[in-house]
Amino acid sequence: AQSVTQLGSHVSVSEGALVLLRCNYSSSVPPYLFWYVQYPNQGLQLLLKYTSAATLVKGINGFEAEFKKSETSFHLTKPSAHMSDAAEYFCAVSAKDFGNEKLTFGTGTRLTIIP
Amino acid sequence: EAQVTQNPRYLITVTGKKLTVTCSQNMNHEYMSWYRQDPGLGLRQIYYSMNVEVTDKGDVPEGYKVSRKEKRNFPLILESPSPNQTSLYFCASSSREPFVLTFGAGSRLTVL
Repeated sequence: AQSVTQLGSHVSVSEGALVLLRCNYSSSVPPYLFWYVQYPNQGLQLLLKYTSAATLVKGINGFEAEFKKSETSFHLTKPSAHMSDAAEYFCAVSAKDFGNEKLTFGTGTRLTIIP
Repeated sequence: EAQVTQNPRYLITVTGKKLTVTCSQNMNHEYMSWYRQDPGLGLRQIYYSMNVEVTDKGDVPEGYKVSRKEKRNFPLILESPSPNQTSLYFCASSSREPFVLTFGAGSRLTVL
């Protein structure tokens, strides 16, 4: 079984400030971890993924996330927020055990950027 | 352009009137899946398919059917829609390795 918990359904940061979106996961097998972004009235777009290579993963638009096994976390960060970062962000976990692929999503964090 | 195409994008229907939401991908992906998105609940998997003629239930399959007769298509069927199926639906596909989902633009369904 696998699950994802995103802490904070809404996060507001000032333009230029650090963005930190929190994600904790549970998985019975080594996980693949993902962050997706959803802009208003659009589908989900992959930001970055962890697949057991480097623990610090860099994605698009300046975002990065660090896999911490001891904390079962995969928090998303960006050093300096931009107005265009306003969107909903979803963390997701997939079991690495192929043959029963399933991506389980968190409930999402809506990021608001304050001018 | 590699993409997942869903139709219709918007639909208002009435209780009990059968409807089908189509999904097609042009990336030759083996894996396809349907999700529904509801406020405060995130995305929940309805059904998925590992390959042609292979489908399985996700977390919330009740009231839905799917079929996978061709690799590129994975329609979602609501035989007798009810108001609790009002939601935003996403189709997604992926190759087996790496397993990274590509999503369609979504289909917003309202059942009156």
